[in-house]
Order: sequence, then structure tokens, then C-alpha cells
Amino acid sequence: SQQGEEDPQALSIQEGENATMNCSYKTSINNLQWYRQNSGRGLVHLILIRSNEREKHSGRLRVTLDTSKKSSSLLITASRAADTASYFCATTLRTSYGKLTFGQGTILTVHP
Amino acid sequence: DGGITQSPKYLFRKEGQNVTLSCEQNLNHDAMYWYRQDPGQGLRLIYYSQIVNDFQKGDIAEGYSVSREKKESFPLTVTSAQKNPTAFYLCASSTSVDSSYNEQFFGPGTRLTVL
Repeated sequence: SQQGEEDPQALSIQEGENATMNCSYKTSINNLQWYRQNSGRGLVHLILIRSNEREKHSGRLRVTLDTSKKSSSLLITASRAADTASYFCATTLRTSYGKLTFGQGTILTVHP
Repeated sequence: DGGITQSPKYLFRKEGQNVTLSCEQNLNHDAMYWYRQDPGQGLRLIYYSQIVNDFQKGDIAEGYSVSREKKESFPLTVTSAQKNPTAFYLCASSTSVDSSYNEQFFGPGTRLTVL
């Protein structure tokens, strides 16, 4: 199975609500990244959190990392219809340098 | 899409044909990557290159080949040996493979369909 697994697989919310997506992984990581993909497009990097960090913010995004539980969460606050996309976590393992291993993604739909 | 171009956007291939997907970057990045994405799935690594004239197999390299003759270019050939090539192919680059800050920049993708 893949290193990163997202939960839930799909999330549907109303504009203005918060969206939380979770990612779990199996082995020790160097860093964990979150990406967004609009339908039929390439991926866009959102945020990177290193293994020695616990929380990072970028605009309306908040990422947490709990290495003891091997999990991360992405919180999007005050969601907008434009946030509708698939969100992927990707990990860099300590043993494989810069190679990224992606999860299967969470499909987020924000209704106006 | 961050200075990475992929062409063509859509590609149709008959069974038994080889096809080459183009990937060019103007970010002066050393590392480049090819991924395959199937519907509802995450990305799987096909090949990656850390530097010109060097490349390594990823997790699903069988039936694919690459070259890295120039820093800016990393073309992917899907050979007739690839049994199920219909997929969305994404190229990416980063400053280095060997880094703790290996944010990757992605191209817009090529959708390959085998007829």
C-alpha cells in the first residue's frame, strides 16, 4: 500500500465552513508536503512541514504534524468555492532523499 | 504551472506504438520527475533524474524509458511493452533530489489514451 493515506476520500462542505483532511503514513519521514490538484490539471504545492516541526500556517491553510502518530492534517479555514479540488499529501522518506510518495488524495467540494 | 511545459496535452496511440511525451522546464532545476496518475488515484513515480545524463527507475518503470541530455528537458517514451498505458502523465522538477526542501513544481500534464 502507499506510504500516505488520506482521510476522508471525499469531503463536501458549504462555503465559509472549515475543511479538515488527514494523512497517515507508515515509516519515518524527512518532510511531508500537501499539494492541490484542480480537475485535469497539474499539482500545485501548498505547504511543506519538516519532521521536527509541529505546525505551519500559510494564509487560510494550517498544517499539523504528529510524528508519534505518523499523521498530518490540513485545515482550510473559511473555505471558498475556488478551493474545490483534490488534495494530496506526499512524504519524503529519510531513506530515499527527495523522492515523494503520494497518497490517494481527498476530493474536496465546496458548495457556494 | 510553474515554468514547466508538457506537450501534447492530449495524445492518442494505437496499440503497439511507442510515443514520446515532452517535458521542458526553465526553472534551472537539477531534478526532474515523471509520474503516472490513474483515475481516483495518487501519483506513482516512473523515473527521476538528479542531473544531466543520469536517471533512476521509480516504482513503475517497466515499459517506459527516459533520457536527460539537457538540463531543461526530460522526455518520457511510453513503449509498446507498457501493457496499460492509458493514464494522465505528470512531469515535475525540483531544485534537487537530495534536499529537505524538495518542493516539486508540476507541469499541466499529458493525457494519453490507447485506442
